Amino acid sequence: NAGVTQTPKFQVLKTGQSMTLQCAQDMNHEYMSWYRQDPGMGLRLIHYSVGAGITDQGEVPNGYNVSRSTTEDFPLRLLSAAPSQTSVYFCASSLTGVYGYTFGSGTRLTVV
Amino acid sequence: KQEVTQIPAALSVPEGENLVLNCSFTDSAIYNLQWFRQDPGKGLTSLLLIQSSQREQTSGRLNASLDKSSGRSTLYIAASQPGDSATYLCAVPNNAGNNRKLIWGLGTSLAVNP
Repeated sequence: NAGVTQTPKFQVLKTGQSMTLQCAQDMNHEYMSWYRQDPGMGLRLIHYSVGAGITDQGEVPNGYNVSRSTTEDFPLRLLSAAPSQTSVYFCASSLTGVYGYTFGSGTRLTVV
Repeated sequence: KQEVTQIPAALSVPEGENLVLNCSFTDSAIYNLQWFRQDPGKGLTSLLLIQSSQREQTSGRLNASLDKSSGRSTLYIAASQPGDSATYLCAVPNNAGNNRKLIWGLGTSLAVNP
């Protein structure tokens, strides 16, 4: 089925470990983004991309890296995991980024 | 700075009731407003988009209205069903020069009881 695929669904990391959250879409959307969702804080934008080779920071980019080598993929890298990065992470894509969003099912990350 | 507030935070209603969810925003110069639905453990599903020039949008039993001057939007759900139980979020673009950054409310958690 067409849509946004996120892997893994669940992950437990130790403080200081690194990992990559994967996001892929098959709708030829130019715009892709990463959000984190925390209780009482709502959804906050981490990084976004308006096309292959173009990325920009959102509200809470510190501790995260992204790259966009293809239209389909937009991985999120945690360089050195911290307990403050415990959250649910969502990837979303859109043709233009203004509306028409499709979200992945999320990755629940726990850093201990 | 744009801020989005949703009231109430939680709502529990019996099946069949008509209900209204509220969304307020501080900067009335918005490009559009979107309503989403989030089911537990799942991603978000786009429900309705209202452009700044529109007053309302309808999709099935859902009707969303927009009053930019008062900084408010409402989502009306008619004849609610248990399957409507979810969290409903509204979002507006960040007007500080980049309308691809969405600002989100915290959502209204709706429970429709059979």
